[in-house]
Amino acid sequence: ELKVEQNPLFLSMQEGKNYTIYCNYSTTSDRLYWYRQDPGKSLESLFVLLSNGAVKQEGRLMASLDTKARLSTLHITAAVHDLSATYFCAVLNDYKLSFGAGTTVTVRA
Amino acid sequence: EAGVAQSPRYKIIEKRQSVAFWCNPISGHATLYWYQQILGQGPKLLIQFQNNGVVDDSQLPKDRFSAERLKGVDSTLKIQPAKLEDSAVYLCASSLLPQAGGSYGYTFGSGTRLTVV
Repeated sequence: ELKVEQNPLFLSMQEGKNYTIYCNYSTTSDRLYWYRQDPGKSLESLFVLLSNGAVKQEGRLMASLDTKARLSTLHITAAVHDLSATYFCAVLNDYKLSFGAGTTVTVRA
Repeated sequence: EAGVAQSPRYKIIEKRQSVAFWCNPISGHATLYWYQQILGQGPKLLIQFQNNGVVDDSQLPKDRFSAERLKGVDSTLKIQPAKLEDSAVYLCASSLLPQAGGSYGYTFGSGTRLTVV
């Protein structure tokens, strides 16, 4: 069974500083996704990473994938309050999408 | 394009009652998924349909949960009888093909928040 582990589970960020969320998975994957979820809302797709070495960037968020290490990272540059949310990574394997437990991010002034 | 529609948004029932959720996927999307998201956890796949056939229901508690996808479009998920531990958000998602979630992955609906008391 595919296991997806995220850390940290909770992250208190200070505005203006940089942080990284890690996503490890246990078996070979076809692709990896990052989602954002605001309280009481559904999942918003941020990135899909298709191959080893893939890097995607959107605003202050950058995601990367190392398939050999089975590791993806979501890097946040110069955190701002609007980035407060829960971030999930999800791994596609055998046509099934398995999610990590999520990282709840709070950005403080 | 219109998104994935789900109803109702909220439902409160007593334990041992039954409940049903409805999902209308994006037009043309062959694959439909039902996920259960318990508070503080990531979504867990319950069942996956390809058109109107079941691809994977290995994590569906079949003694109380059932799902169908008539004519390969809309889907319903039913719980009968409900237990307290079924309290969760039930998310429906769709994709064009199971392995081709598009540039931005699968599209999720807003979910149905179920509270069992």
